[in-house]
Amino acid sequence: QKEVEQNSGPLSVPEGAIASLNCTYSDRGSQSFFWYRQYSGKSPELIMFIYSNGDKEDGRFTAQLNKASQYVSLLIRDSQPSDSATYLCAVNIGNTGGFKTIFGAGTRLFVKA
Amino acid sequence: GAGVSQSPSNKVTEKGKDVELRCDPISGHTALYWYRQSLGQGLEFLIYFQGNSAPDKSGLPSDRFSAERTGGSVSTLTIQRTQQEDSAVYLCASSLFSGTHTDTQYFGPGTRLTVL
Repeated sequence: QKEVEQNSGPLSVPEGAIASLNCTYSDRGSQSFFWYRQYSGKSPELIMFIYSNGDKEDGRFTAQLNKASQYVSLLIRDSQPSDSATYLCAVNIGNTGGFKTIFGAGTRLFVKA
Repeated sequence: GAGVSQSPSNKVTEKGKDVELRCDPISGHTALYWYRQSLGQGLEFLIYFQGNSAPDKSGLPSDRFSAERTGGSVSTLTIQRTQQEDSAVYLCASSLFSGTHTDTQYFGPGTRLTVL
């Protein structure tokens, strides 16, 4: 089992719809979770992070974390064609002795105009 | 600088040659990471530095790969006797390394390596 798993997609949604991107992780000790967006040919850029169970909203983006189910998701409201990219889930595992970031393989999102 | 910088942005080399890739992290960031990303694939962790030391080299694919960091700043990734399978984008990231789980990585633009 991979440490961080994402559906590779592609996920296709119409403009204006809600895009839902999912990520599961295997290490119950994981403490923090990150979503990065990567446009084709570009490097990943941080969208948001979440540490606590529940929802965290930032503009059109909402991250949802459920540690009991080892599941983190990213919702994009009012999806725009410019949101078309690969979304990478990343998880920090470890302790005060050191942390390691594990990235998922990413989900490709297409938003159709 | 304002962000992580990498050079060169593109590198084309012949099989068997050595290459050096450079990363300049965000000022004040003590942690530095190297990743490799092949076309259409996810990020493959290579090595991580805390200051000048590398506590985790577990991702280096072979002994042809090495990395160093000096002065707690610039890092170079060296690939000796390059092979065609080394062709990929090599990404560098840096973070503050606050010592907590909140540490966030910021990526450079990458170096696209093509081995002919």
